[in-house]
Amino acid sequence: QSALTQPASVSGSPGQSITISCTGTSSDIGSYRLVSWYQQHPGKAPKLMIYEVSKRPSGVSNRFSGSESGNTASLTISGLQAEDEADYYCCSFARSVPYVFGTGTKVTVL
Amino acid sequence: EVQLVESGGGLVQPGGSLRLSCAASGFSISGYWMHWVRQAPGKGLVWVSRITGDARTTHYVDSVKGRFTISRDNAKNTLYLQVNSLRAEDTAVYYCVRESSYAFDIWGQGTMVTVSS
Repeated sequence: QSALTQPASVSGSPGQSITISCTGTSSDIGSYRLVSWYQQHPGKAPKLMIYEVSKRPSGVSNRFSGSESGNTASLTISGLQAEDEADYYCCSFARSVPYVFGTGTKVTVL
Repeated sequence: EVQLVESGGGLVQPGGSLRLSCAASGFSISGYWMHWVRQAPGKGLVWVSRITGDARTTHYVDSVKGRFTISRDNAKNTLYLQVNSLRAEDTAVYYCVRESSYAFDIWGQGTMVTVSS
C-alpha cells in the first residue's frame, strides 16, 4: 500500500484560503468516505483536524473544512493565520492495511 | 484529562529489542481500538500496528510483520509494542494513538527509538 500523494508545500498570505489535495486510489479514498486530516507543528504530536472527510472535532476552528471527489480528498484552510503554519497529513482507511497516511504538506504563511 | 503517555524508547543496536509502553488516563482503553504510528526523523507519518478492543485481532504494516508485536493490558489501561530484530530504518518517534470514528483522535507525545551501532 503506497502513501497517499500530497503536494510537498503550499503557501498563502494571511487571510487567504489555501487547499491541500490528497490523492489515493480506488482501494482507499475512492472506496471509503473515511479520510482524516492532521496538523503537526514542529516537535509536537499530530492533532486531528477533520474526520470522515468533512467533520470537525470539537474545538477545531471552522476555518478548516474537508471534501472529497473520487480518489482525491482536500483540506481547505480559510482566513489563513500565522498559527496555521505547520505540516498537514491526510489519512485514509484502506482495503489492504487498516490505514495509510499521505506524504505530508508543509503550509507556509507568507 | 484524556491523555496517552509513551515510554520505553532509547538507543539500541541493530538486531536488538525494546518494549514500548503507553499508559492511558482519563478514559478506558478497553473501549477503543488502539494503534502505533511512527515518524522517522524529518519524514512523514506511517501507520504501524492496530489492536482491537478485545485484543483478539491485530494488524501490522508489512515492514514490521514478524518483528513487532502489539498487545494491551486493559486492567492496567496500557498499550504495548514489543519491537524485535530492530533495523536502522526502524529509527523513529513512535506514537501511541486512540482510534475513534475511523480517525486518530488522541495522540501521545511519542517515544524515540534510535537503532544504531
